[in-house]
Amino acid sequence: ELKVEQNPLFLSMQEGKNYTIYCNYSTTSDRLYWYRQDPGKSLESLFVLLSNGAVKQEGRLMASLDTKARLSTLHITAAVHDLSATYFCAVDSFGGVNRDDKIIFGKGTRLHILP
Amino acid sequence: EAGVTQFPSHSVIEKGQTVTLRCDPISGHDNLYWYRRVMGKEIKFLLHFVKESKQDESGMPNNRFLAERTGGTYSTLKVQPAELEDSGVYFCASSLRPALTYEQYFGPGTRLTVT
Repeated sequence: ELKVEQNPLFLSMQEGKNYTIYCNYSTTSDRLYWYRQDPGKSLESLFVLLSNGAVKQEGRLMASLDTKARLSTLHITAAVHDLSATYFCAVDSFGGVNRDDKIIFGKGTRLHILP
Repeated sequence: EAGVTQFPSHSVIEKGQTVTLRCDPISGHDNLYWYRRVMGKEIKFLLHFVKESKQDESGMPNNRFLAERTGGTYSTLKVQPAELEDSGVYFCASSLRPALTYEQYFGPGTRLTVT
């Protein structure tokens, strides 16, 4: 069974600091996703990582993927208060003919950035 | 383009009552998914429709849950009778196939509270 583990589950940090959220998954997967969720809002897709060594950056967020280690990281650079949210890591789970039939999520990392 | 919408945003019902959640996917998206997040746990897959057909319902917790997608447009998820452990946030997502970089677009969720 494919499992996704994130750590930490809760992170409180000061503005201006750097930090990394880690995501480990248990078996081979073609795609790894990072989502952001603000309270009461939709899950917003941040990154889709497709291959080993993939690195994507958007503003102060950078995601990377190591498929050999089954590890992805979400790095936050010089955090600002607006980045406070819950961040989910997720991977595809194959379910037969349809390669995209479900996504397996981690528990989420609740990020609180103090002004 | 309108995103995935869900109704209601919040529902509070008593144990033993019935509740019906609705999801309207992005227009033209054949694939529709239901997920659920129980407090403090992972977002878990419930089922997947391709048009009006159930492609995968392996995540449905028990026969108190019934999902339908008449005509391949909007979907409903009925819980009857509701139990306390059904409380959580129910997310709907839709996707367009085929898609090389495949992405599921999520709605804002329905928060269900069973008392």
